[in-house]
Amino acid sequence: KAGVTQTPRYLIKTRGQQVTLSCSPISGHRSVSWYQQTPGQGLQFLFEYFSETQRNKGNFPGRFSGRQFSNSRSEMNVSTLELGDSALYLCASSSGGFGGGEQYFGPGTRLTVT
Amino acid sequence: SQKIEQNSEALNIQEGKTATLTCNYTNYSPAYLQWYRQDPGRGPVFLLLIRENEKEKRKERLKVTFDTTLKQSLFHITASQPADSATYLCALEAGAGSYQLTFGKGTKLSVIP
Repeated sequence: KAGVTQTPRYLIKTRGQQVTLSCSPISGHRSVSWYQQTPGQGLQFLFEYFSETQRNKGNFPGRFSGRQFSNSRSEMNVSTLELGDSALYLCASSSGGFGGGEQYFGPGTRLTVT
Repeated sequence: SQKIEQNSEALNIQEGKTATLTCNYTNYSPAYLQWYRQDPGRGPVFLLLIRENEKEKRKERLKVTFDTTLKQSLFHITASQPADSATYLCALEAGAGSYQLTFGKGTKLSVIP
């Protein structure tokens, strides 16, 4: 089975721009979660989608948004980029709801905001 | 507020010894706890899950214990090898049915030949 893929792998943007990141989950997985990872804060939960519905959202400003398509692929968008948005953005897929489901992570998108 | 703490930011250990990493949590009542490994520049990789009614779980050279009274999990790597050098993260579900995993900040393990 192919793993979780994320595109692009690297991105450099300027403050004020917006960016869209893409995630393709493992075939058959319907849950996709997004995380932001920085050296200071570690892995922080952004949101989780299941069957095109957002089931939970972390404590991030409204500039961070996401969506999931009918084929379970997911995108996240960050508008009006700030320097502090520079981070590794990770998506993870799992088979469904929690109840012990481990998450399978993609390689991440490294976003640099200048 | 909820907290997950991995006591050591970094741990150096001699090859062949047992590495023990600690994960403590407060204000959680987790049904399970997970451990992941992360190498630089890569996404975390799932290692082990232990449920609240399990005291111990093993997988090859890995062993995890879970003490819900102490609110602590211990992660052991026996006969450690330089290839075990990585950051190890513990994770809990933020709340029952929250669909949100909360991660500790990790312990960076270095196994010295």
